[in-house]
Amino acid sequence: QKEVEQDPGPLSVPEGAIVSLNCTYSNSAFQYFMWYRQYSRKGPELLMYTYSSGNKEDGRFTAQVDKSSKYISLFIRDSQPSDSATYLCAMSATGGSYIPTFGRGTSLIVHP
Amino acid sequence: DVKVTQSSRYLVKRTGEKVFLECVQDMDHENMFWYRQDPGLGLRLIYFSYDVKMKEKGDIPEGYSVSREKKERFSLILESASTNQTSMYLCASTGLYEQYFGPGTRLTVT
Repeated sequence: QKEVEQDPGPLSVPEGAIVSLNCTYSNSAFQYFMWYRQYSRKGPELLMYTYSSGNKEDGRFTAQVDKSSKYISLFIRDSQPSDSATYLCAMSATGGSYIPTFGRGTSLIVHP
Repeated sequence: DVKVTQSSRYLVKRTGEKVFLECVQDMDHENMFWYRQDPGLGLRLIYFSYDVKMKEKGDIPEGYSVSREKKERFSLILESASTNQTSMYLCASTGLYEQYFGPGTRLTVT
């Protein structure tokens, strides 16, 4: 079992839809959770990061962490064609080497 | 804003050549990383560095070496490029826990 599981997709939605992207993990030591957006042929761009459980909102994006279920989500409201990209989750345990463990990414396509 | 820059966006090299990939960050971060990214395989860690002149092997260090002579600069070296090193190479630096990536170098070895 991989430490971080993420459905590769592609996930195809119409413009304006609410998108839910998810990751599950097995390491209960993970405390720090990140979401990245990666456009084709570009480097990953940090979207949001959260510490421990709870929600964090930034504009159309909401990150949610459920540590009891070892499950994290990224919600995108009012999705736009410009949101079409691969979304990677990443997580780290506090202390230690600060090397995050990445999911393999979910490809999102928002069609007009 | 954190800025991580990489010396080239696209690079084409011949088999057996020595290749240098340069990365510079402007946020005084201590930790820097080199990854390669291939379709279906995700991000794989090659090397990382905690401090100047310090380096640690990642998951796939074979065929690579690194150099960190200054805090802001971390170089990846392919000692003798091979076709199986054709890939997207990504440099990152770390704030508290979050990583900031550069734009990537698409390396093709022919």
